[in-house]
This record gives sequence, C-alpha cells and structure tokens, in this order.
Amino acid sequence: GAGVSQSPSNKVTEKGKDVELRCDPISGHTALYWYRQRLGQGLEFLIYFQGNSAPDKSGLPSDRFSAERTGESVSTLTIQRTQQEDSAVYLCASSSLRTGGATNTEAFFGQGTRLTVV
Amino acid sequence: GESVGLHLPTLSVQEGDNSIINCAYSNSASDYFIWYKQESGKGPQFIIDIRSNMDKRQGQRVTVLLNKTVKHLSLQIAATQPGDSAVYFCAEFYTGGFKTIFGAGTRLFVKA
Repeated sequence: GAGVSQSPSNKVTEKGKDVELRCDPISGHTALYWYRQRLGQGLEFLIYFQGNSAPDKSGLPSDRFSAERTGESVSTLTIQRTQQEDSAVYLCASSSLRTGGATNTEAFFGQGTRLTVV
Repeated sequence: GESVGLHLPTLSVQEGDNSIINCAYSNSASDYFIWYKQESGKGPQFIIDIRSNMDKRQGQRVTVLLNKTVKHLSLQIAATQPGDSAVYFCAEFYTGGFKTIFGAGTRLFVKA
C-alpha cells in the first residue's frame, strides 16, 4: 500500500485479555516506531526498530508490552493481561531515514489502533 | 524531551492572523528538530524540520525558528486558516540512533 497501515482500527477487549496490534509499514522503510497516545495527550514513545539492529525497547511501560518485527516488514505490538490504563490510541510510524544519502527525518504515521479495555 | 501525561495547552487565533506555537526541548545533542501536525482522528503528519546548525527555515506559510541558547523551538503559521486547526507537536531527532522523540503538543483553534 501507499501508506502505513494499522489493524484493527478499533479494538475493545476485556480486562485481563491479551491483544495484538499490527502495523504494515511503507515498503522499503527501515525504521519503524510504536507510540501510545492517551486521549487528549501527547505521543509516548514505546519501541523503535531499525533494520536488523536490536530494537530500542526503552519506552515499553511494563513487561506486559512486547513487539516484534520481521526484517523490514510487518510489526506486531502485543499487550498481555490488558489493564484499563492501557486504553489509548496506538500509533505506528515508519521512515526511510536516508534519501539520496541525506538524512530524512520524516516519519509516516498510520491511522492508529484505538484500544479500549473494559 | 517527552512530556507524557500532560493535557495539551491550547492556542486560539482569529482566521487570517499569524500563529506562533512554542516548544521547549531538553537535549542539546539533537541533530534535527521537527514539527508535526495531528488532525482529529488521524496520525501526525510531518510539516517541516530544521537542522540543529540552522536558526531559521521557511516552508509554505510556515517558518520554524530555533534558539539553541535557550533550547527553544517555534513554529510560525502565516495567515492562519480553519484547516490549520489541529494539534502541533515538536519532535527531536538523533542521527546517532535515528529515533524521533515527541515533545508536548499544542492544540490550535482557528476562529472564523
């Protein structure tokens, strides 16, 4: 596809259940980011993948959160034993980082997955 | 740096006026500073960036100013239009790690 695609767009889950969120980045983009955005608030960095390097997991709020990415393709964010505080929009972004040898800072975002834990 | 858990400040301007959105950053090592616009129900969209060795950069109807002495970044929008109503985020980018960290956002309301 032309842009970053996230699925599902909305997810309602019961407290204690596990959820898996999916992100399809723009083809060829080596960098992939996950952010969390609570209602009316800013973007909270969760995790960053860059090519085959070890991911930067410094933003994951607890060990209930994990993410995987295979090569430079799809990424999944998994939240285990969901809590009501996990309710938020989860945004994925991808970036090429380099364009013609120059640094490219632009990250392209998906529409997000709105997670509601009841 | 990141401001998590804070409710967004709001700026209200009259259509046609110029808007100035401010951002304070914490890390002097950032190589680029970026502005993103987020409309309701959508993901953030890149507006403009500025390299850390520059003081000013202009785009279409937007100007970004960087004051490294006081670690301050601003986005100026000329002749603000209703379509400019959105949340604006500043962000820092490190070429060492190629990671983008978002700062606090500002909600811009444009009154017709």
